[in-house]
Amino acid sequence: DQQVKQNSPSLSVQEGRISILNCDYTNSMFDYFLWYKKYPAEGPTFLISISSIKDKNEDGRFTVFLNKSAKHLSLHIVPSQPGDSAVYFCAASAGAGGTSYGKLTFGQGTILTVHP
Amino acid sequence: DTEVTQTPKHLVMGMTNKKSLKCEQHMGHRAMYWYKQKAKKPPELMFVYSYEKLSINESVPSRFSPECPNSSLLNLHLHALQPEDSALYLCASSSLTGGFDTQYFGPGTRLTVL
Repeated sequence: DQQVKQNSPSLSVQEGRISILNCDYTNSMFDYFLWYKKYPAEGPTFLISISSIKDKNEDGRFTVFLNKSAKHLSLHIVPSQPGDSAVYFCAASAGAGGTSYGKLTFGQGTILTVHP
Repeated sequence: DTEVTQTPKHLVMGMTNKKSLKCEQHMGHRAMYWYKQKAKKPPELMFVYSYEKLSINESVPSRFSPECPNSSLLNLHLHALQPEDSALYLCASSSLTGGFDTQYFGPGTRLTVL
């Protein structure tokens, strides 16, 4: 049962254009969502997060949008740079106080390639 | 500073060996985690320590034994592993100070079991 899904295994974008990575979830108990970037043989690097009380969070070139009714979030990278080429994981967690607190559920990842 | 360090970077071991993976953080975080990641897959949670106590064990085989000697250190003791245990082992930590908790990952230990 995949509770967090990234349906696009890969995305190819030209440098300077927008990259949009998508993520869907099924568990309505999730209330905190994170995006991680990962290079091969390295640990995931935290990029940006959003809580369920917001619908948008922005940090520099990265913006995350949350649509709770659709159980969908997206990561926008503008402008895209070749150094952004990596695997991007969407992750979700349930709130404090629950038995699942501390558990991150990851999507399968999307490989982003930004061409010069 | 959001640094989590892990040693060793690479480890090769036989199925009869005993080895340990180490993880350290100096961010004052009160939760630490072990994950296992296979190629082209997302990280899979193994263990969670909260305030130095084991709070989650995701039905991990007993050949993996976690230990949290203090709030900054996390070990994973390995014994009688199988070749299918070869993977990238990731440590993470988080602060547990708010309702929304961000986990920060270390660089990982690449484990090969022969």
